[in-house]
Amino acid sequence: SQQGEEDPQALSIQEGENATMNCSYKTSINNLQWYRQNSGRGLVHLILIRSNEREKHSGRLRVTLDTSKKSSSLLITASRAADTASYFCATHAAGYSTLTFGKGTMLLVSP
Amino acid sequence: DAGITQSPRHKVTETGTPVTLRCHQTENHRYMYWYRQDPGHGLRLIHYSYGVKDTDKGEVSDGYSVSRSKTEDFLLTLESATSSQTSVYFCAISEGLGAFFGQGTRLTVV
Repeated sequence: SQQGEEDPQALSIQEGENATMNCSYKTSINNLQWYRQNSGRGLVHLILIRSNEREKHSGRLRVTLDTSKKSSSLLITASRAADTASYFCATHAAGYSTLTFGKGTMLLVSP
Repeated sequence: DAGITQSPRHKVTETGTPVTLRCHQTENHRYMYWYRQDPGHGLRLIHYSYGVKDTDKGEVSDGYSVSRSKTEDFLLTLESATSSQTSVYFCAISEGLGAFFGQGTRLTVV
């Protein structure tokens, strides 16, 4: 079964607004990663946060991790139409060498 | 972009026929993965490899086999394709942290 579950399943916003997506998971992790997938394309790695980190930034992306609640959030600030894509969280469970993906959040950013 | 190529990109095959998908990397990454992506299910791991001739099953391995005889190539075989294996298949490579994905293979079993 999926380790990570994203929320919401779909999100529609206007350009310039912030987009927040959440991910919950079930077991202990080494790290949690976020990926973007444009329609018809492969996934692209966005950012990785380790289990001992609480927050990480990369450009307009901000990721938080709360291991006590087994949850993470991805914030995209000042969104652009080009941010329209599906976003997936993936967990790297402790003791394993595989990534387990959630079902994703579809983000639509309208001009 | 990471050097990872999937072939073929599209394939239509008949039920009961064998099918092999190829993943080729030029990055010398240790780990290689095969995922399938279906609406409502996200990405699910089929098989993965942690070295030449070292492979293991994932969440949805039934009906699939893999082989890795060289570091750069990871083959996924459907021994006898079924309609339930119609999907988009992604290969990914990793050195233990972030993964790089291929462009995907859209497989239709009719």
